[in-house]
Amino acid sequence: GAVVSQHPSWVICKSGTSVKIECRSLDFQATTMFWYRQFPKQSLMLMATSNEGSKATYEQGVEKDKFLINHASLTLSTLTVTSAHPEDSSFYICSASIAEGTGELFFGEGSRLTVL
Amino acid sequence: DAKTTQPPSMDCAEGRAANLPCNHSTISGNEYVYWYRQIHSQGPQYIIHGLKNNETNEMASLIITEDRKSSTLILPHATLRDTAVYYCIGVKAAGNKLTFGGGTRVLVKP
Repeated sequence: GAVVSQHPSWVICKSGTSVKIECRSLDFQATTMFWYRQFPKQSLMLMATSNEGSKATYEQGVEKDKFLINHASLTLSTLTVTSAHPEDSSFYICSASIAEGTGELFFGEGSRLTVL
Repeated sequence: DAKTTQPPSMDCAEGRAANLPCNHSTISGNEYVYWYRQIHSQGPQYIIHGLKNNETNEMASLIITEDRKSSTLILPHATLRDTAVYYCIGVKAAGNKLTFGGGTRVLVKP
């Protein structure tokens, strides 16, 4: 199947710093990518939809200035957590669709962020 | 998208079939039923999807009731590696936005 890769897989940072997480589709082009966040023992929560060449669409309650999303190419989307705080510590997961109009998404391995 | 309801957890024996139910009584005519699973600390993995006919692939079978208000995912011969949280999700045709509910935490025991 198609492969989606995230980097880094885990990161620890100090409070107040910014952290960038990359999501790459390795063997296909993805016009749309999705970013999720998952807290321990909870389900995945959709944060935003990332569209190549345009602004991301954020879900209600997600601060767009806090979670900057850039989808500059058909194979790369980045999520930057700005001025991170301990409550931003979470598992961040991206996904990509190989084709429009299908619910079959390919997910990255996830990136675990710990903010001290 | 339709709200789905799944039991929070279930155990099954290794080597036996695992039958995972999902209720989606408000599903609309153009909504597909998708199943994903998430093994601990990994990203979700697509399993199977269907609209109204039963479906089978190398991972599982999906049985959808005639009224489409519920479905069952069948893992024919559960292995320890099938231990995961399984999510049943309704997705509109031409859509690809997934909204995850609570899922069913499946523990396969030796």
